[in-house]
Amino acid sequence: QSALTQPASVSGSPGQSITISCTGTSRDIGAYNYVAWYQQHPGKVPKLMIFDVSNRPSGVSTRFSGSKSGYTASLTISGLQAEDEADYYCSSYTSTSTLVVFGGGTKLTVL
Amino acid sequence: EVQLVESGGGLVQPGGSLRLSCAASGFIFSGSDMNWVRQSPGKGLEWISFIDKNADKKYYADSVKGRFTISRDNTKNSLYLQMNNLGAEDTAIYYCGRGPAGWQDHWGQGTLVTVSS
Repeated sequence: QSALTQPASVSGSPGQSITISCTGTSRDIGAYNYVAWYQQHPGKVPKLMIFDVSNRPSGVSTRFSGSKSGYTASLTISGLQAEDEADYYCSSYTSTSTLVVFGGGTKLTVL
Repeated sequence: EVQLVESGGGLVQPGGSLRLSCAASGFIFSGSDMNWVRQSPGKGLEWISFIDKNADKKYYADSVKGRFTISRDNTKNSLYLQMNNLGAEDTAIYYCGRGPAGWQDHWGQGTLVTVSS
C-alpha cells in the first residue's frame, strides 16, 4: 500500500480538463510544499511535470498545473490531448524516516 | 544534453549482492544532488536513496536501510548503489535521477535487477 493515495484511473475526452488527486497526511503533503508529479508512458522513463507543488520545469506544457490544499495535492491537465494518456505519479517529502513517498499512480485514459 | 546511464543490473540469487553504477554527463555532476528510485515490474515508483553533491548527506528508504549504500565519485562523474542481502522484493528497474530528494528532473533509462534462485 502506497503512502500517498491516488485514484487508480481517470479518463477524459480530448479538449476537456481532468484533475488527479493525491491524498496524504499531516506528515507529508500537509507538512511540506514539496509535492512533485511525474508522467510515465508505457515502457518509458518517468518525466518530471511539476515540482514544489506548482512549478513547471522548462519545456513542460502550460496545460499542466499543480496545486495543494490541506493534505491533498492535485494535478490538473487542461485541453486534454491523446499524448497525455499515461500513468501519473505524485510524490512528497515526509517527516517519517523514509524521507520521500510516492503515490500508487493513476492511469489516465484519453477517450 | 544531460545523460544518465545506469549499469550493473542482472540476475542475482536471494541473499546476494550487486553494485549499480550511474554514469553522468552533460552537466556539472559535482554540483548536483542525486537519487536512486526503483520500479517493480508493473508497479509504481519507490524512492530508495539520496546523496547530496558532496556526499555529506545520505538518506535511505526504510525498505533498504542497512542493506543498501549510496556513494559517488565526483572525479569519475559516477553514482553508485551497493545492494546487499537482496530479496525477491528488491526485483525492480533501478533508475538514477538528478535533483533533490523531492524531485528528479532527469532520469536514466534504468537497469533491471532480478532476484531469483
